[in-house]
Amino acid sequence: GQQLNQSPQSMFIQEGEDVSMNCTSSSIFNTWLWYKQDPGEGPVLLIALYKAGELTSNGRLTAQFGITRKDSFLNISASIPSDVGIYFCAGSGMESNYQLIWGAGTKLIIKP
Amino acid sequence: EAQVTQNPRYLITVTGKKLTVTCSQNMNHEYMSWYRQDPGLGLRQIYYSMNVEVTDKGDVPEGYKVSRKEKRNFPLILESPSPNQTSLYFCASSFRGTGELFFGEGSRLTVL
Repeated sequence: GQQLNQSPQSMFIQEGEDVSMNCTSSSIFNTWLWYKQDPGEGPVLLIALYKAGELTSNGRLTAQFGITRKDSFLNISASIPSDVGIYFCAGSGMESNYQLIWGAGTKLIIKP
Repeated sequence: EAQVTQNPRYLITVTGKKLTVTCSQNMNHEYMSWYRQDPGLGLRQIYYSMNVEVTDKGDVPEGYKVSRKEKRNFPLILESPSPNQTSLYFCASSFRGTGELFFGEGSRLTVL
């Protein structure tokens, strides 16, 4: 099945650093979503985006719906230890029959 | 508390022994879905249901069955499990398939 191109695959960061990750698609989407998965748990929705160009924040997290409707970005400012986990992007649109297409995830690791 | 409940959380079984993973949600969601998560492959959709008695195949339906007789329940059935179905399984639900999914805590299945 189709999968989004999510990068980077993993990131080693120092506490306090800003983090950026992105997702690209070959299809146009109407919806972009960002989820976080903590170890041993199911993914939890962080941010939902429904309009091209939309920029939405949730605390230290900010996500953008790309104006081409084929990409999205997630930024985390001033990372803290509890930011560790796997971040997934997901998108949907007419070309996916409105089913979610998922990225493979970005694993965030805090350097000791 | 709004939640998606899966059982069992952990299961070790043998090839060919039928098993069912139950999923129940208490949010009156119309849409429910099953995913499997494997290292490096992210989340792959197995089956989904838009409403009671309406189910459809996702990206990896082979070897699985589902049913949706009631709105709250969406069991995943493995009629004859095989080792390649060893995986972490997630049930998820949302209001009318908006993509804002609520995930269960996962069921880790090992088929020997």
